[in-house]
Amino acid sequence: EVQLVESGGDFVQPGGSLRLSCAASGLTFSNYVMGWVRQAPGKGLEWVSAITGSGDPTTYADSVKGRLIISRDNSKNTLFLQMNSLRAEDTALYYCAKVDSTSGRLGAFDIWGQGTVVTVSS
Amino acid sequence: DIQMTQSPSSLSASVGDRVTISCRASQSINTYLHWYQHKPGKAPRLLIYAASNLQSGVPSRFSGSGSGTDFALTISSLQPEDFATYYCQQSYDLPRTFGQGTKVEIK
Repeated sequence: EVQLVESGGDFVQPGGSLRLSCAASGLTFSNYVMGWVRQAPGKGLEWVSAITGSGDPTTYADSVKGRLIISRDNSKNTLFLQMNSLRAEDTALYYCAKVDSTSGRLGAFDIWGQGTVVTVSS
Repeated sequence: DIQMTQSPSSLSASVGDRVTISCRASQSINTYLHWYQHKPGKAPRLLIYAASNLQSGVPSRFSGSGSGTDFALTISSLQPEDFATYYCQQSYDLPRTFGQGTKVEIK
């Protein structure tokens, strides 16, 4: 069974940094595009970033470009999100998700973790 | 960016009702459209991929239709476990974008 488990969420002050992790199991991790999606309190889902199986290229939402950095360690089956210069509007539940690379499935997120909470406040 | 607009934003329905949620893209996205179910405290769940294909393990009362800019998710007979928020998402272009969600509540 494929599983994704996020960790690293915390309470941090504006301007601070945090690194989220997503541990994957039950799959050949390096074969898959992975992404981060967040949900701010009372809001809907927002796509944040994605990374190919090899680690390059990476893509970002405009709202996080230059502040959040996605990376992965395929030897440890782990996805990361380095969060710098955090703002109150980054407060959210952060999910990691796997992209289904099967032909014809057109890039849907087929597996999601349970999420980790980031709170940015003074 | 491609804007995804869902309607309605919320709806009240009874068990057994037929429910349809609409999703409109700001430009053509072919069939690069997926539907997710999200319950509080749970991970989002993929229901429909590529506009009309049922994800493995998802009950057949869920169905999707559409292509281009207009899409729909239909629940043929609403069950108690279906009360949740539903999102559409496009994967045609970057950045990927979600609709604002449709909350399905018990009448």
